[in-house]
Parts: sequence; C-alpha cells; structure tokens
Amino acid sequence: QKEVEQDPGPLSVPEGAIVSLNCTYSNSAFQYFMWYRQYSRKGPELLMYTYSSGNKEDGRFTAQVDKSSKYISLFIRDSQPSDSATYLCAMNPPTGASSKLTFGKGITLSVRP
Amino acid sequence: NAGVTQTPKFRVLKTGQSMTLLCAQDMNHEYMYWYRQDPGMGLRLIHYSVGEGTTAKGEVPDGYNVSRLKKQNFLLGLESAAPSQTSVYFCASRPGLAGSPSEQYFGPGTRLTVT
Repeated sequence: QKEVEQDPGPLSVPEGAIVSLNCTYSNSAFQYFMWYRQYSRKGPELLMYTYSSGNKEDGRFTAQVDKSSKYISLFIRDSQPSDSATYLCAMNPPTGASSKLTFGKGITLSVRP
Repeated sequence: NAGVTQTPKFRVLKTGQSMTLLCAQDMNHEYMYWYRQDPGMGLRLIHYSVGEGTTAKGEVPDGYNVSRLKKQNFLLGLESAAPSQTSVYFCASRPGLAGSPSEQYFGPGTRLTVT
C-alpha cells in the first residue's frame, strides 16, 4: 500500500460546480497536510495547509482532514475556469530534520466555461 | 526576490552525455530538494540537502549526483544520461524549521529529453 493515494482523474466539471478532491494515507505520523496547485508547465505552489484534524477555509477553498479515517479533502466552491490545474496533496510528520514531504500523484481538474 | 530559479528551462541530450542542472534560491532557505515528475508517477524525490555542504539520497537517487557548495545553490548532475531520465525536474527549497509545516517553494522546472 502506498503511503498516499490520490484519485487519478482526470476530472472535468462545468463552471460553478462544487469540486471535491480527496487523498487517503496510511502513515499515522503525518500531522501536516497540504494541497499544492500546479498549472500546466509550471511548478507546484502551495494552496492551503492544515495541521492535524479539522477544517480550514480560504475563500472558495476548504481543506478538511479526518485523521481517524486517514482521509483529507479539498473542496472548491463555485469553480472557475482559472481553477483548471493539477492538484497534489502532500503531507509530513512533525519530526525529522529533512522535512520531506510525501506527495500524492495529483489529479488534473478541468473547469468548462 | 526571484524565489527559486532553474537553469536551463529545456534540454535535449543524447544517451551517454552528461549535464548539470542548476537551482538557485534567494530566500536564504536551509533545505533544498530535487524532484522529478513523470506522468502517472507524481513527484518523486531524487536528492535533498539540509544545509550547505550536506546532501542525502531521496526516493530515486540512482543515476544522479548532487552538490551544495553554496547555501543558495543546489546542483543536480547526470553523469551518463539514459532515456529513462527523460522527465521534468523541479527544485524546491524551504526554511530550516523542523517540526513546522513543510511548505516548499518550487522552481519553474527543467524539461529534459534524452534520446
């Protein structure tokens, strides 16, 4: 079992739809959970992060972590064509000098006008 | 601030040739990383460095070497390129704050094709 599993997609939705992106993980030591957004032919950039369990909201984006189920989600409300990108989940434990991140494989989202 | 920059942006190599990819950051970050990204494989860590003069192996280090002689630069070398090294290479950096969210800042990538 891979440490982080992410739905492979791709995902295509109409403009204005609510999008749900999900990852599952197996390492119970993970405490920090991140979502990166990567536009085509660009480097990933951090979108949101959460610590431990709970929800975090930033505009149209909500990140949710359920540590009991080892499941994280990113919700996008009122999706826009500009949200079309690849979304990668990433996570790491609080200890360890290298601070290495474990990434999901990413899911490509297309929002149709 | 330019952030993380990578040189070159594109390169085509023949099998057996060597090359060095340069990553530079102007944020005074301690930690630096080299990843490769392939379709269906996600981001895979090649090598990383937790400070000037240090390097360590990541998930897929074979065929690559790295050096961190200066804090702001992290070089990735391919001594004898193989077609399996055709990929997009990303460099990333982050402050040296162990135990905090590991936000990594990524460069724009280098697209390498080995024929």
